[in-house]
Amino acid sequence: DTGVSQDPRHKITKRGQNVTFRCDPISEHNRLYWYRQTLGQGPEFLTYFQNEAQLEKSRLLSDRFSAERPKGSFSTLEIQRTEQGDSAMYLCASSFSRGSTGELFFGEGSRLTVL
Amino acid sequence: AQKVTQAQTEISVVEKEDVTLDCVYETRDTTYYLFWYKQPPSGELVFLIRRNSFDEQNEISGRYSWNFQKSTSSFNFTITASQVVDSAVYFCALSEARGDTGRRALTFGSGTRLQVQP
Repeated sequence: DTGVSQDPRHKITKRGQNVTFRCDPISEHNRLYWYRQTLGQGPEFLTYFQNEAQLEKSRLLSDRFSAERPKGSFSTLEIQRTEQGDSAMYLCASSFSRGSTGELFFGEGSRLTVL
Repeated sequence: AQKVTQAQTEISVVEKEDVTLDCVYETRDTTYYLFWYKQPPSGELVFLIRRNSFDEQNEISGRYSWNFQKSTSSFNFTITASQVVDSAVYFCALSEARGDTGRRALTFGSGTRLQVQP
């Protein structure tokens, strides 16, 4: 399978715990995006990387959230001191930057439930 | 700031009916891209189409067609002869071009849930 993969697919945690999600993009893609999707809503942009550089962060990304892409390949999204409002589907997507037609290729998401 | 509005929250049709999903967008840029994505019950967003702001030609792909009208800032999506497998949530999205770091991330609408009854 050469698509975007995310791990874990589901995570249930207690309020106050830290969680980390991993995303492996399509190997040729140099851009990687994180989105959050809550029930009945469209995906909301959180942050994106071009290679290892984090180029943009949304105001939605509070200081409890941190994303990394240390070698320009896979990325991790960590949420510290989780709150019930963090419960959502966290989506990862990847794309090319040069010659890109702009579409993002999405993974199946990591669903977070905070009790 | 860019914004995408999908006023139809949910649409239910009977198989073989035609259905149109509406999308209205707001942007200050003259160069931008519009997209439609499908999210089936499995959850993975699937790319359907991309249009750039300079190409208002309508497009048809099988049972799918798209009507882009800059004058009304709309990019509507029509499914002809709908099928049960078309049941999904459909998202319209907008991406503005940025000169410094290239294209911005996509801004999505809230989606339209389409239910096609047999």
